[in-house]
Amino acid sequence: AQKVTQAQTEISVVEKEDVTLDCVYETRDTTYYLFWYKQPPSGELVFLIRRNSFDEQNEISGRYSWNFQKSTSSFNFTITASQVVDSAVYFCALMQVYNFNKFYFGSGTKLNVKP
Amino acid sequence: DAGITQSPRHKVTETGTPVTLRCHQTENHRYMYWYRQDPGHGLRLIHYSYGVKDTDKGEVSDGYSVSRSKTEDFLLTLESATSSQTSVYFCAISSQGSDRTLDNYGYTFGSGTRLTVV
Repeated sequence: AQKVTQAQTEISVVEKEDVTLDCVYETRDTTYYLFWYKQPPSGELVFLIRRNSFDEQNEISGRYSWNFQKSTSSFNFTITASQVVDSAVYFCALMQVYNFNKFYFGSGTKLNVKP
Repeated sequence: DAGITQSPRHKVTETGTPVTLRCHQTENHRYMYWYRQDPGHGLRLIHYSYGVKDTDKGEVSDGYSVSRSKTEDFLLTLESATSSQTSVYFCAISSQGSDRTLDNYGYTFGSGTRLTVV
């Protein structure tokens, strides 16, 4: 069975602080994708990153960075110098490549960035 | 230009009434999905389709049925709505990727339908 765990239900930081959102997953598949999505108060899901199971390179995009470690089944997301606009719910998800591309989501982490 | 639209965006209905949500795509993707989002659970798969008339259950399918009579439309029906089905429903579409190039996989979510059953 597939499982994605986001243990941090809610995090509050002050603007300009760095914050890391944790994601741990379980799967027996060897080929899979991991995703992060942002859900602002408006409700839509905003795609942030997709990483396949064979690519453990860390990625940086502006203030965002992702650390994928297969050895610990983790795919953590760091926001550097957080801003109020980063306030949202963030979801980590796993996609099964050989099972109709089905998604398994974590329960989400609500990030509050205060000015 | 999103390639996927859900209708309606908001609906309030009474317990016991049937409700149908529609997902329409213009991308000609093979796979379509319905998910529901509830506090503390993230998104959970209700049903999915891997082709016209080909559908299967997800992890929370009780009380729901689906139909896909043409590639572009995937309908989710609540035969007799209950208060526990109050939720936000997301449709998604996915292209079937290639083993050789894993980056061929595309996945797009609709904007969501907020359903309230009173």
